[in-house]
Amino acid sequence: TQLLEQSPQFLSIQEGENLTVYCNSSSVFSSLQWYRQEPGEGPVLLVTVVTGGEVKKLKRLTFQFGDARKDSSLHITAAQPGDTGLYLCAGLTQGGSEKLVFGKGTKLTVNP
Amino acid sequence: SQTIHQWPATLVQPVGSPLSLECTVEGTSNPNLYWYRQAAGRGLQLLFYSVGIGQISSEVPQNLSASRPQDRQFILSSKKLLLSDSGFYLCAWSSSFRTPLHFGNGTRLTVT
Repeated sequence: TQLLEQSPQFLSIQEGENLTVYCNSSSVFSSLQWYRQEPGEGPVLLVTVVTGGEVKKLKRLTFQFGDARKDSSLHITAAQPGDTGLYLCAGLTQGGSEKLVFGKGTKLTVNP
Repeated sequence: SQTIHQWPATLVQPVGSPLSLECTVEGTSNPNLYWYRQAAGRGLQLLFYSVGIGQISSEVPQNLSASRPQDRQFILSSKKLLLSDSGFYLCAWSSSFRTPLHFGNGTRLTVT
């Protein structure tokens, strides 16, 4: 069972365009993390959101955690070729046995 | 600062041969350690995690095993590799289950 659904799976855009990727679930998470992974490397943490409705900005990247803590979005403004990579969301499940579950990722290509 | 080293970066092994991938962490004590496998540049599947020396938890039944002989050393092994063991293997550490993961740069394993 895939707890976290990411969409779109693939996204190819031109430099300067804006984009949004989504991470959705029917489950509630204690927190949600976003990672970016470049080819041949390990994922690198971008941000952690903890509070429902929370919005965090990292330069041109804006992350939002849904009010019910079931979903999140990542918005990139004026995308650059350096933003190219695989964007992964990961949610920390609630309950006695906490686990970090990953979505399958959104592969973003920004063309110059 | 903390660093994580994972080697080798790439490995080509014949079916039936043994496997040993090593991961070491520097700059932190008693970390949680993890082995993930990533298929075709997509989502991450947790294989093993460890909260301390000699303590290994397996998430999925498979042809692989893990060991933690020292506090900051994590080893992924197999006695006889299968074709289906091919993939991108990532080691990671965290301070706790609630804190983000720090990944190594991965090992690309091809079983021929």
